Amino acid sequence: AQSVAQPEDQVNVAEGNPLTVKCTYSVSGNPYLFWYVQYPNRGLQFLLKYITGDNLVKGSYGFEAEFNKSQTSFHLKKPSALVSDSALYFCAVRDPPGYSSASKIIFGSGTRLSIRP
Amino acid sequence: DAGVIQSPRHEVTEMGQEVTLRCKPISGHDYLFWYRQTMMRGLELLIYFNNNVPIDDSGMPEDRFSAKMPNASFSTLKIQPSEPRDSAVYFCASSTGTGNTEAFFGQGTRLTVV
Repeated sequence: AQSVAQPEDQVNVAEGNPLTVKCTYSVSGNPYLFWYVQYPNRGLQFLLKYITGDNLVKGSYGFEAEFNKSQTSFHLKKPSALVSDSALYFCAVRDPPGYSSASKIIFGSGTRLSIRP
Repeated sequence: DAGVIQSPRHEVTEMGQEVTLRCKPISGHDYLFWYRQTMMRGLELLIYFNNNVPIDDSGMPEDRFSAKMPNASFSTLKIQPSEPRDSAVYFCASSTGTGNTEAFFGQGTRLTVV
């Protein structure tokens, strides 16, 4: 069964420093991977996705993620953190067409990112 | 498009009452998902539809929960009877079905059962 894991419940970073939010996945075949962000009392917002091609994916608000097939990871990164980046971040996986659970979207447990001034 | 629209935004009900949550997906999207978010269990997929047909309801916690999608522009999630442990934020999301597309989420319904 497809799944994603976010090993850190919380990540604390000083403003201006680089940040990394970790995600590992377990899927059959080639996965479609996504990152979402959730601000308080809001729904989830899409940040970026990996489908195929370049392992480094760029997304909204200066975020990027690196797909690593050998390590089955899809870590979210940003070179310089802002206080406004503080939020809850979710990694998600979606099976490609042809699989029995095609198009089901499964989310990780979430990582709370806190950026201190 | 106004995005995924959920109603109500907040619902407070007494234990034992029936609760109905509503969702209008983005026009043209053929997949609709219902999720539940709690502190303890995170974001759980309850059920999802493709072209108005339920595909996987294995995440529905009990028979007290039911979901319908009578047409492409409307879905409901019903809890009958409701219990305090059903208190959570319920999200609806929609997407196209090519697999490589992201889902778009509504603002959620915060349900409190007292």
